[in-house]
Amino acid sequence: KQEVTQIPAALSVPEGENLVLNCSFTDSAIYNLQWFRQDPGKGLTSLLLIQSSQREQTSGRLNASLDKSSGRSTLYIAASQPGDSATYLCAVDNAGNMLTFGGGTRLMVKP
Amino acid sequence: DAGVIQSPRHEVTEMGQEVTLRCKPISGHNSLFWYRQTMMRGLELLIYFNNNVPIDDSGMPEDRFSAKMPNASFSTLKIQPSEPRDSAVYFCASSLTSGGADTQYFGPGTRLTVL
Repeated sequence: KQEVTQIPAALSVPEGENLVLNCSFTDSAIYNLQWFRQDPGKGLTSLLLIQSSQREQTSGRLNASLDKSSGRSTLYIAASQPGDSATYLCAVDNAGNMLTFGGGTRLMVKP
Repeated sequence: DAGVIQSPRHEVTEMGQEVTLRCKPISGHNSLFWYRQTMMRGLELLIYFNNNVPIDDSGMPEDRFSAKMPNASFSTLKIQPSEPRDSAVYFCASSLTSGGADTQYFGPGTRLTVL
């Protein structure tokens, strides 16, 4: 059974800092890995999707990497802003659309 | 596009009552998912439909839970009878295709409280 772990569970940084969120998974036979953002009381918003054949994806200040062999992914946020404050969730797709989520990292960016 | 629509947004009910949650996926999307989010267990997939057919319901916690998708634009998740431990936020999501190629788009969720 796939297990997804996110470290740290919470992170507080000053505005402008570059930061890295970590995600690890136990079963490397994946279709893809996705990073989502969740604001309090809201649904999830997809940030990046990395197919199993890809190594990384970039969108604006966000860069996600994938190392299937080691079961790891990182989400890099450059020049963090207070508006980046949210919970970031990593999800792994093992069976074509069936996602297993990590517990999330709650990020606070202080002005 | 209006995105995934869920109703109601909040539901408070008493133990033993029937609860029905509703979802309208994004038009043209062929796959629909129901998730449950709690503090203790995080976000869990309950059931997954493709082209209105249930593909995997292994995440449905017990027989008190049932889900239907009578057509491409509507799905329901029913809990009968409801119990306090069912209190959670229930999300519906949809994606364009199956097979893991597309991202999932989530609705705003229904916050269920069972007293």
